[in-house]
Amino acid sequence: NAGVTQTPKFQVLKTGQSMTLQCAQDMNHEYMSWYRQDPGMGLRLIHYSVGAGITDQGEVPNGYNVSRSTTEDFPLRLLSAAPSQTSVYFCASSYSYRDYEQYFGPGTRLTVT
Amino acid sequence: GNSVTQMEGPVTLSEEAFLTINCTYTATGYPSLFWYVQYPGEGLQLLLKATKADDKGSNKGFEATYRKETTSFHLEKGSVQVSDSAVYFCALSNTGNQFYFGTGTSLTVIP
Repeated sequence: NAGVTQTPKFQVLKTGQSMTLQCAQDMNHEYMSWYRQDPGMGLRLIHYSVGAGITDQGEVPNGYNVSRSTTEDFPLRLLSAAPSQTSVYFCASSYSYRDYEQYFGPGTRLTVT
Repeated sequence: GNSVTQMEGPVTLSEEAFLTINCTYTATGYPSLFWYVQYPGEGLQLLLKATKADDKGSNKGFEATYRKETTSFHLEKGSVQVSDSAVYFCALSNTGNQFYFGTGTSLTVIP
């Protein structure tokens, strides 16, 4: 099993550009989520999904879109990048959300100039 | 609402010292509690968990007990090693499909 994979590992964008962060898991997990990690802020939930076709907003959803067309994939789209979106982004998956371990990807370090 | 507060870092300890990282939470009902660890350049990994009051989670010499009366889930280890140097996150999950993380505590263990 590859677990949770994320691409790219690093990305530099200019303000106003758009891009998609890819996330895939091969564990047949229903629950997937996206977090951003900023110094002194811990991890903050951006969007999550409890199954294919179902997504919902987390704590900091503005400026991001998601979709979940398959169980395996959960891409995160930045619509118009801003310097405030400079962060490290983690994708995670789990069998369910409540008592179950979340498996994290290696992260994408994004810089917006 | 749901939230997690953990002690500020960074924490620096000598090898074989005793470690405590404090974590308190706010939640309605009966959340599940977790400790995750993040090594440099990597994603988070589950260290231990407890799903009901008075449960003790343990792994790799680390322990934490779910204390509902004090709304706490403090992480402890009796003798730390250099390889324990990492960032530790306390987290909770509750009804509502979301996880909530603390801000993280950086631990450095020196030989």
